Amino acid sequence: ELKVEQNPLFLSMQEGKNYTIYCNYSTTSDRLYWYRQDPGKSLESLFVLLSNGAVKQEGRLMASLDTKARLSTLHITAAVHDLSATYFCAVDTMNRDDKIIFGKGTRLHILP
Amino acid sequence: EPEVTQTPSHQVTQMGQEVILRCVPISNHLYFYWYRQILGQKVEFLVSFYNNEISEKSEIFDDQFSVERPDGSNFTLKIRSTKLEDSAMYFCASRKGGHQPQHFGDGTRLSIL
Repeated sequence: ELKVEQNPLFLSMQEGKNYTIYCNYSTTSDRLYWYRQDPGKSLESLFVLLSNGAVKQEGRLMASLDTKARLSTLHITAAVHDLSATYFCAVDTMNRDDKIIFGKGTRLHILP
Repeated sequence: EPEVTQTPSHQVTQMGQEVILRCVPISNHLYFYWYRQILGQKVEFLVSFYNNEISEKSEIFDDQFSVERPDGSNFTLKIRSTKLEDSAMYFCASRKGGHQPQHFGDGTRLSIL
């Protein structure tokens, strides 16, 4: 059974700093998603990583995927308060039905 | 860009009542899913549906749950006799096939009183 682990689960950081959220998963997959969720809101798709070595950037966020290490990272550059949210990584099981398994989420709190 | 749409956005129901959550997947998609997120927790898989039948279901998806694709466009999740612990956000997702990514709807917040 695929397991997805994120760390840290909670991160409080100052504006302007850089940080990385890690997502490890337990079985082979080459499709990984990052989502943002604001309190009480839906899942906002940030990145879809579809192959080993994939790197995508949007504004201050950059995501990468290493399928050999079964690791994805979400890097935050020069954080701003608006990036405060919970970030989930999710991994496709690559089975016939391709259900997604989510990590527990990283609650990011950026202090002004 | 085509979207997965879910209705209602918020449903409030008395315990023991039946609820039906509705989803309209993207029109040329073939695989459909329901996920659940209890407040403050992670998103959990409930069920996947393909070719008019359930292809996989989780332990959460017990006999009180059912899914249906009644008319070729809607995909519904029915909870027969709701319990307090069914209060959660329910997300529908669809996928075209061939290992294409899933697309999520905005969710239905279900509150059981």
